[in-house]
Amino acid sequence: SYVLTQPPSVSVAPGKTARITCGGNNIGSKSVHWYQQKPGQAPVLVIYYDSDRPSGIPERFSGSNSGNTATLTISRVEAGDEADYYCQVWDSSSDHPNAVFGGGTQLTVL
Amino acid sequence: EVQLVESGGGLVQPGGSLRLSCAASGFTFSSYWMSWVRQAPGKGLEWVANIKQDGSEKYYVDSVKGRFTISRDNAKNSLYLQMNSLRAEDTAVYYCARDGVVVPAGSDYWGQGTLVTVSS
Repeated sequence: SYVLTQPPSVSVAPGKTARITCGGNNIGSKSVHWYQQKPGQAPVLVIYYDSDRPSGIPERFSGSNSGNTATLTISRVEAGDEADYYCQVWDSSSDHPNAVFGGGTQLTVL
Repeated sequence: EVQLVESGGGLVQPGGSLRLSCAASGFTFSSYWMSWVRQAPGKGLEWVANIKQDGSEKYYVDSVKGRFTISRDNAKNSLYLQMNSLRAEDTAVYYCARDGVVVPAGSDYWGQGTLVTVSS
């Protein structure tokens, strides 16, 4: 089955840029979605189809996807961005298509 | 306003069954794929299953195949997850999520989740 690999944690100072990676075999050929989850809350979609932002998501959130790595970039990080972030793809490469989440990355704002 | 409200969670013994429901409102339910996603305590997200608009396609994570069944009733704007032969490792918060008109769209709306605890 398809595996997505994320760093367990990323730390960044307020006002700086955070980059969270999501590794997968030829992930650049798939569409990647990113979710933010704060403690005790349901996930929120922050990036879909690699780089599109849902309405209401700040422009500080952006995404890219190429080769074996997709990246979520958060510019001018704020304290309120502290959360767990998950990448997700739809893997249709086998006889049994399924959605896959990465293990998640905890973003800490120093 | 889009709303997804899960119900049906609770405490069940290993080997038992539960049926989760998700009541949808604020959008044309029959136009969207729908998913169930779970999260074990202190763990990450795990996709469980999804279903096409008319129910003609259903997909499952390997660990629940043959035990869980996803279904929907478009007339009632409701999504279901029948869970049989439950195991301790099925303990999790189960979220209902709205997918796109086509896969592989992301899940843009989520319910608040319902807790399933499998324990003797």
